[in-house]
Amino acid sequence: SAVISQKPSRDICQRGTSLTIQCQVDSQVTMMFWYRQQPGQSLTLIATANQGSEATYESGFVIDKFPISRPNLTFSTLTVSNMSPEDSSIYLCSVAQSPNEKLFFGSGTQLSVL
Amino acid sequence: SQQGEEDPQALSIQEGENATMNCSYKTSINNLQWYRQNSGRGLVHLILIRSNEREKHSGRLRVTLDTSKKSSSLLITASRAADTASYFCATDGGRANNLFFGTGTRLTVIP
Repeated sequence: SAVISQKPSRDICQRGTSLTIQCQVDSQVTMMFWYRQQPGQSLTLIATANQGSEATYESGFVIDKFPISRPNLTFSTLTVSNMSPEDSSIYLCSVAQSPNEKLFFGSGTQLSVL
Repeated sequence: SQQGEEDPQALSIQEGENATMNCSYKTSINNLQWYRQNSGRGLVHLILIRSNEREKHSGRLRVTLDTSKKSSSLLITASRAADTASYFCATDGGRANNLFFGTGTRLTVIP
């Protein structure tokens, strides 16, 4: 298992600003992912955070809007840039040791953009 | 979209009753997983069933998988108030490195 610390747990931000979310894992993990959950909706994968290289983004998500860093096997950040009210969501960090095996999730960041 | 659909969207039962949730998906899969989410927080993994398995148990949880119908069900027996949460199925869609989550079932267990 893996214990994931995600912060901040929530934030209220102004339109046009950026927020960086941090994800710290208590052990080295092979795979790290960032998900978005819009209000009342299911989870959508934003990107896979790759250690030492650029993240792999899913369709509909771009690096300029959601830059991701992963400097090592235990830490990653997701930045939500130039925010608008449509970015109001829960953002979730998750990890796995093998492809398509069970995911461990952080507690999420609830973001509200005014 | 490869996203699964869950049925019902919401379910309310009395404590002690059984709760059944269904998940339908569209593509071939390697495995199907069920997760629980409490109050918009992080998800907790409940159970994984592989495409060559038909049924799996874990405590009060029973999961079935019918790949011919592209459907799965999650049964929670003898429900408790603490089981109140949203439940999501997730499939890999035959792809590596991506799980597609269903629309979720909101379960309320009334004490």
